[in-house]
Amino acid sequence: GENVEQHPSTLSVQEGDSAVIKCTYSDSASNYFPWYKQELGKGPQLIIDIRSNVGEKKDQRIAVTLNKTAKHFSLHITETQPEDSAVYFCAASKGTDKLIFGTGTRLQVFP
Amino acid sequence: DSGVTQTPKHLITATGQRVTLRCSPRSGDLSVYWYQQSLDQGLQFLIQYYNGEERAKGNILERFSAQQFPDLHSELNLSSLELGDSALYFCASSPRDRPITEAFFGQGTRLTVV
Repeated sequence: GENVEQHPSTLSVQEGDSAVIKCTYSDSASNYFPWYKQELGKGPQLIIDIRSNVGEKKDQRIAVTLNKTAKHFSLHITETQPEDSAVYFCAASKGTDKLIFGTGTRLQVFP
Repeated sequence: DSGVTQTPKHLITATGQRVTLRCSPRSGDLSVYWYQQSLDQGLQFLIQYYNGEERAKGNILERFSAQQFPDLHSELNLSSLELGDSALYFCASSPRDRPITEAFFGQGTRLTVV
């Protein structure tokens, strides 16, 4: 069935460094790839997304890249700040279908 | 604030009981999704409704059921509760289901079964 693998499961970086989280999806028909940030005690919040007709998208310190051939996509956070600390989830879907989530990455940014 | 409202925020109940979780989607959103998040687990898709009709089903137990009402709010019913049903239950909504657009999540209902 559909599957999204995400790694690493935990990531610790120094403030100001970059963080990269990678995901691989199994269904080649997937065409929508959002990233969510979940802070403690809160619901997941959409931070950036990319569609299959685009290879890269950037929003300030956050960027997402998509490699359709390899079926993987990545989240890049530059100049990390302590408030970036959270659990990040990638997801994939195809058209009208539900979002299939990765298992999450706990990012810790140390001052 | 995503605009998706879930009630209650917390729920403690005993094994064997039945509970109802409620979700009010963002104004104008027609699709509602339910997800389960167990401790240190990812988000498991349970079920989707679109404009009152069931659209997709995931790993939803037979003891669980859901519906979406004419005013588009949705309820998730969990019955014969077991300890393993303790989890965070999230509702998400999106404007339309074709093509899929951004899904916005509520704050979740934390269910504890004792």
